[in-house]
Formats: sequence, structure tokens, C-alpha cells
Amino acid sequence: GAVVSQHPSWVICKSGTSVKIECRSLDFQATTMFWYRQFPKQSLMLMATSNEGSKATYEQGVEKDKFLINHASLTLSTLTVTSAHPEDSSFYICSASSDTLTYEQYFGPGTRLTVT
Amino acid sequence: GIQVEQSPPDLILQEGANSTLRCNFSDSVNNLQWFHQNPWGQLINLFYIPSGTKQNGRLSATTVATERYSLLYISSSQTTDSGVYFCAGTTQGGSEKLVFGKGTKLTVNP
Repeated sequence: GAVVSQHPSWVICKSGTSVKIECRSLDFQATTMFWYRQFPKQSLMLMATSNEGSKATYEQGVEKDKFLINHASLTLSTLTVTSAHPEDSSFYICSASSDTLTYEQYFGPGTRLTVT
Repeated sequence: GIQVEQSPPDLILQEGANSTLRCNFSDSVNNLQWFHQNPWGQLINLFYIPSGTKQNGRLSATTVATERYSLLYISSSQTTDSGVYFCAGTTQGGSEKLVFGKGTKLTVNP
């Protein structure tokens, strides 16, 4: 149980274009989904928290107009990187939580974005 | 915010050896979790352990919440144990955000 998928697993896009990453909880309903960014050899950095049907809450320093998050249902959240630049190249990981007592999070396999 | 320190930052073992990874928190945390990030980047849940001791096969974990630390034990290590181990917890006050340590990179050689 508690499986989270991400699509695509890797993507290459040209500078100035937008790319959408999907995060799905496959066997549970996620009350909350989280988006992280990870640079090589570093820890995970939380970008935003989203709850189904409401606007995402972004961490300080994360541009909400650049990283658009939509949590359309209890099993799907999307992250759209708009007008991508090479510095947006990174490993993006989502997680999902269904337990409002423990907040235990389950992670997707990640999406490696390369902007050329 | 709270600080999460993990030690050691790097660990190299021969297959079959045992190891202990440590996680210290600067303040009280809730909902402590241990993860293993494999070489492909996937984070795998190892333990949800806000307090006490749990065991799962060759792995076990102990959290002493009153002293703000947690330990992960790996026994009879295998090459497939290689990767980065992270601990993370949520701060008190009802926050659901996980605060991560910088991780321990484990390399198990055959």
C-alpha cells in the first residue's frame, strides 16, 4: 500500500517552455501533497504544500508564478514549471499524506528535469 | 526552525558489517520518519517512529523523544543497502511539514 507515482520520470525541455509533472497517489486518497526539489548530493528542499481544492502554500523564496501547483483531486497534484530556465534543472519529488494524525508521507520516484 | 543533524555524513562498510546512524534534533519533533534514498532517487519509507523501538528484518530504529535523537541500526549490511539515509520530523504545533537532515551516504562494498 501507499504507492505514489510521478510522471514523467525524466524530461528535457528548451529554455522558455513550460513542463508539467504529475503526482498521483495510487492506492490511497491524499489529503495533502508536497513538492520538493533536490540538488545533487543535497537534502530535500520543500517547495510547497497543497491540499485538494485549495491553493498551494509556498515556502519562502519559491516563486509561485513560476512553479504552478494544482491539486485537482484527492489522488492527483501537478507541478508546472513555467518559462523554464537552465537553473530550474533539478530533481523534483512529490509526496503524499493521508493520515492527519501522523502526517506520515510517502514519496514518488521523482522527476529529473533538464532545461537546455 | 528546528535543525536536524545526521551523523556520520558518509559511511563505507564491507558487506556483512553492522552500522548505526544517528539523527539529532535541536528541538522536540513529532512524527519522526527514516527514509532510504536509493541510487535512482526513490525515497523508501523505512520507519515511522515518533518514539520507542521498531524492527523490520535487518533494520531497526530507536527514538528517544525526550532526548531528541533517533538511531537507525543496519545489521549484516548488503550492497543493496547502499544509498542515502534521511531522517525527518515535523515540528510541534501541528505542522505537517517534514524537516529533513542532510543525510548519511552509505556505501556497502562486496
